[in-house]
Amino acid sequence: GAVVSQHPSWVICKSGTSVKIECRSLDFQATTMFWYRQFPKQSLMLMATSNEGSKATYEQGVEKDKFLINHASLTLSTLTVTSAHPEDSSFYICSARDFGGSQGAAGELFFGEGSRLTVL
Amino acid sequence: AQKITQTQPGMFVQEKEAVTLDCTYDTSDQSYGLFWYKQPSSGEMIFLIYQGSYDEQNATEGRYSLNFQKARKSANLVISASQLGDSAMYFCAMREGGAAGNKLTFGGGTRVLVKP
Repeated sequence: GAVVSQHPSWVICKSGTSVKIECRSLDFQATTMFWYRQFPKQSLMLMATSNEGSKATYEQGVEKDKFLINHASLTLSTLTVTSAHPEDSSFYICSARDFGGSQGAAGELFFGEGSRLTVL
Repeated sequence: AQKITQTQPGMFVQEKEAVTLDCTYDTSDQSYGLFWYKQPSSGEMIFLIYQGSYDEQNATEGRYSLNFQKARKSANLVISASQLGDSAMYFCAMREGGAAGNKLTFGGGTRVLVKP
């Protein structure tokens, strides 16, 4: 089946630095990818919808200047946490839709493995 | 109002027994989809089962079945013959507005611990 890969799977950085997380669709093209954030013991909260070739659509309350999203190709979306602070520490997970999937609506959406960010 | 509600924060289940995880949803859309995902401690989201709002039959995938009661707006997950490897967080999610969006709203999750 379709595979979505994230990198890095975990990262530790100093406060004030920027961190880039990549989300790749490995065997399909994804015009739309989604970025979620998950705090410990909590649910996934959608941060933004990443659209290939255009600006991302951010959910209410998410700072677009803080969380930069770039979707420059049909297989890659990146999330950059700018000037990271300890409160940005979280698990970030992306998902992508496979328009060419054969499993119908259920099989079209795939998640990456997630990236755990710790800001010291 | 919560769009997806999972009222059970945690559950114990005996190995080989069945367990039902509750999920209720709220939407005014006629076309929507309901998903269940499993999240082990590693963090990955594993797709389990899907139910479309127009599907008349309850979805089944191996040991997973979805008890879809549209009038009550519930989509409970039943795991039969529980295994130790089923211990994980389980999330119910909803996609509104047809297949075009694929933006999911997640419930708060239920942690399942299977006892040997």
